[in-house]
Amino acid sequence: DVKVTQSSRYLVKRTGEKVFLECVQDMDHENMFWYRQDPGLGLRLIYFSYDVKMKEKGDIPEGYSVSREKKERFSLILESASTNQTSMYLCASRRTSGRDTDTQYFGPGTRLTVL
Amino acid sequence: AQSVAQPEDQVNVAEGNPLTVKCTYSVSGNPYLFWYVQYPNRGLQFLLKYITGDNLVKGSYGFEAEFNKSQTSFHLKKPSALVSDSALYFCAVRGPLDYKLSFGAGTTVTVRA
Repeated sequence: DVKVTQSSRYLVKRTGEKVFLECVQDMDHENMFWYRQDPGLGLRLIYFSYDVKMKEKGDIPEGYSVSREKKERFSLILESASTNQTSMYLCASRRTSGRDTDTQYFGPGTRLTVL
Repeated sequence: AQSVAQPEDQVNVAEGNPLTVKCTYSVSGNPYLFWYVQYPNRGLQFLLKYITGDNLVKGSYGFEAEFNKSQTSFHLKKPSALVSDSALYFCAVRGPLDYKLSFGAGTTVTVRA
């Protein structure tokens, strides 16, 4: 089974703090994704990484950056957290060769509150 | 641009009754369609997908979905709902050359005993 883990289930930070959200997958997937989930808006893509050190902006990259130094790990960084970044953050991964290249597999999510 | 519409915010059914969650999509080219389920305070779990082939797709936990190209729909169905099916359901689509999935806003399903 694919396993995607996220470093924290719940996180509370103060406005202006630098926040790191970590995601690790154990299936050697090439692609990794960061989404945020807000009620009534579904999931919106923040950033995408198609391989190590490769990244692309998604639909809502403002206020976020990412890092992918190793294939299994994809980090989301909030340089200066703001209250409008309070949300549920979901990481996903997908393989690009072999079986089952179409499906994204999700981690359990991190619920971030910025005070 | 690709998009998904889930026209119902909430669906309420009695246990044992059929369950349908609606989804319509817009995409360039042949669609890759997915359904995911999210239980409270959890991540998304993959239920099923349509890429090509039979229009009726069977997935996990007794769910199935029917692809209708003329109506651009991909409705999720379960013949007999369980209380444990109560959750938030998301439909998603991407085009054949896209990496990016577009999600609907989600439909909350409540199954009453």
